[in-house]
Amino acid sequence: RKEVEQDPGPFNVPEGATVAFNCTYSNSASQSFFWYRQDCRKEPKLLMSVYSSGNEDGRFTAQLNRASQYISLLIRDSKLSDSATYLCVVTVSYNTDKLIFGTGTRLQVFP
Amino acid sequence: NAGVTQTPKFRVLKTGQSMTLLCAQDMNHEYMYWYRQDPGMGLRLIHYSVGEGTTAKGEVPDGYNVSRLKKQNFLLGLESAAPSQTSVYFCASSSPLAGGRTDTQYFGPGTRLTVL
Repeated sequence: RKEVEQDPGPFNVPEGATVAFNCTYSNSASQSFFWYRQDCRKEPKLLMSVYSSGNEDGRFTAQLNRASQYISLLIRDSKLSDSATYLCVVTVSYNTDKLIFGTGTRLQVFP
Repeated sequence: NAGVTQTPKFRVLKTGQSMTLLCAQDMNHEYMYWYRQDPGMGLRLIHYSVGEGTTAKGEVPDGYNVSRLKKQNFLLGLESAAPSQTSVYFCASSSPLAGGRTDTQYFGPGTRLTVL
């Protein structure tokens, strides 16, 4: 079983739609959680960290469910520029910066 | 501020050739990492460094060597390239946070390597 699992998609949604991605992780000792965004043939960039209480950044909301070992990302009012691959990332320990990446969920927003 | 840069951007090698990928960062970060990204797989950590003069193995270290002689540079070497090493290689850097928490990793633009 992969340590971090994501639905690869693609999710094809119209502009203005709301779309949600889930990600599950296998190690219950996982401590830190992130969503990274990766545009085609570009490097990953941090989109947002995910906190136990949930957090919001503009149109983006991230939530963590430790009991079920999954994290989610909600994008409201999708824009064409949101088209990208969204990577779910976890770390196992507070004392390491080693990130474990999911394979990513591809989002395509169409006009 | 260039952030994280990688050299070269593209390279084609023949099986058995050697090469070195260079990563440089100007953010004074302590930690640096080398990843590879293959289709259908997440980024996988090859080697990493928590400071000048130190290196450690990641998830997929075989066939690669690294050196961190200067804080701002992290070199990835392939001594005898194999077709299985065809991949996109990303370098990243970060700084440790108080309390051992994990900070954002900043990635370079990647090196596309093909081994024939």
